[in-house]
Amino acid sequence: DAKTTQPPSMDCAEGRAANLPCNHSTISGNEYVYWYRQIHSQGPQYIIHGLKNNETNEMASLIITEDRKSSTLILPHATLRDTAVYYCIVRVVGNNRKLIWGLGTSLAVNP
Amino acid sequence: EAGVAQSPRYKIIEKRQSVAFWCNPISGHATLYWYQQILGQGPKLLIQFQNNGVVDDSQLPKDRFSAERLKGVDSTLKIQPAKLEDSAVYLCASSHGTSGTDTQYFGPGTRLTVL
Repeated sequence: DAKTTQPPSMDCAEGRAANLPCNHSTISGNEYVYWYRQIHSQGPQYIIHGLKNNETNEMASLIITEDRKSSTLILPHATLRDTAVYYCIVRVVGNNRKLIWGLGTSLAVNP
Repeated sequence: EAGVAQSPRYKIIEKRQSVAFWCNPISGHATLYWYQQILGQGPKLLIQFQNNGVVDDSQLPKDRFSAERLKGVDSTLKIQPAKLEDSAVYLCASSHGTSGTDTQYFGPGTRLTVL
């Protein structure tokens, strides 16, 4: 499975959009991009995933570049409760393929 | 819908002692995962079950760690004997099936401290 590169930390003002980048330059055509987040002292929480097209749900939007070598997770109106570590993971499509977690980006949303 | 349940939430033991963690996945979820998360790192998969069979245990230290999911529902992870480096949060997750895009749902974890 391809590796990902994320900045170790980011800051965002409350109410503003948080844009979290992820580089996955060695991604293969059959690998999805997943985003999870982990709030302090909790288990990770699924946010969103995508293959080629941009995706949006009630939590966030995922923008994947045309060459699929990078992506951006967008939290449109960040709140203090969005302070967490955000993990970008690429995963091969297919049964029983595990998630390989990196160090993630620690996002601090400031009042 | 109830989430993934884990117990205990916290455990402190001395090295060379034994410890067991319990996980009850979301009802109907066929796949269950145990992860180890050391402070400051991402989770590392220890073992993955599909129903009551092991799919992947390649990163499980089998000389001291064991896990079972006898009836394909809840699961137990055991460490015997514990070492200082086993201090970590042990996370259980479950997913509905085994498709490539299957979402994993995590429990709150058990924080283990080995003294």
